[in-house]
Amino acid sequence: QVQLQESGPGLVKPSETLSLTCTVSGGSISNYYWNWIRQPPGKGLEWIGYIYYSGSTNYNPSLKSRVTISVDTSKNQFSLKLSSVTAADTAVYYCARRLTGDYWHFDLWGRGTLVTVSS
Amino acid sequence: DIQLTQSPSSLSASVGDRVTITCRASQSISSYLNWYQQKPGKAPKVLIYAASNLQSGVPSRFSGSGSGTDFTLTISSLQPEDFATYYCQQTYSAPYTFGQGTELEIK
Repeated sequence: QVQLQESGPGLVKPSETLSLTCTVSGGSISNYYWNWIRQPPGKGLEWIGYIYYSGSTNYNPSLKSRVTISVDTSKNQFSLKLSSVTAADTAVYYCARRLTGDYWHFDLWGRGTLVTVSS
Repeated sequence: DIQLTQSPSSLSASVGDRVTITCRASQSISSYLNWYQQKPGKAPKVLIYAASNLQSGVPSRFSGSGSGTDFTLTISSLQPEDFATYYCQQTYSAPYTFGQGTELEIK
């Protein structure tokens, strides 16, 4: 079945750029919206943004100036870059699939990866 | 941004109890409301989508209702595996916000 797997550094220095990749295995990246969601330790969930397989994006305005999400359909991967990170960006980062259509939900999630921002 | 407020923030209950969690939106969101369950160290899992539709594979003791600004998630008879944190999420408009969560604990 389709699975998502996040990968990337677990430790990032303040002011640097956080970079994560989500690999989609067992299925195609086409015809879905691919999302990044984060959860600071002990806190709630925050939607970061999505990319459609064709390349269109939508970002949370609270992070928009620092976020870039890209897709590589040849590798069945999509990626997150978050620039100028601070300790407030320490969180578990999840990639998730969103169905198309009017009423949708996140139906498939990666296991999440903890990224700590610290010098 | 649309704010979602869940109540209660935490809840203690016993196996077999009927439990209701509410989610109130800061503006009308029609039925664009999902419910997720999250267990420690795990990713969230969708239970209910479009306010009242049970996700395939989810036990029928879970149900959702509501539209507009007020929504509820009900667990008809708590089972040991239901002790977790529950989140509502709106998909009416971006940014797609979540409620703050309701932690369901064993009494």
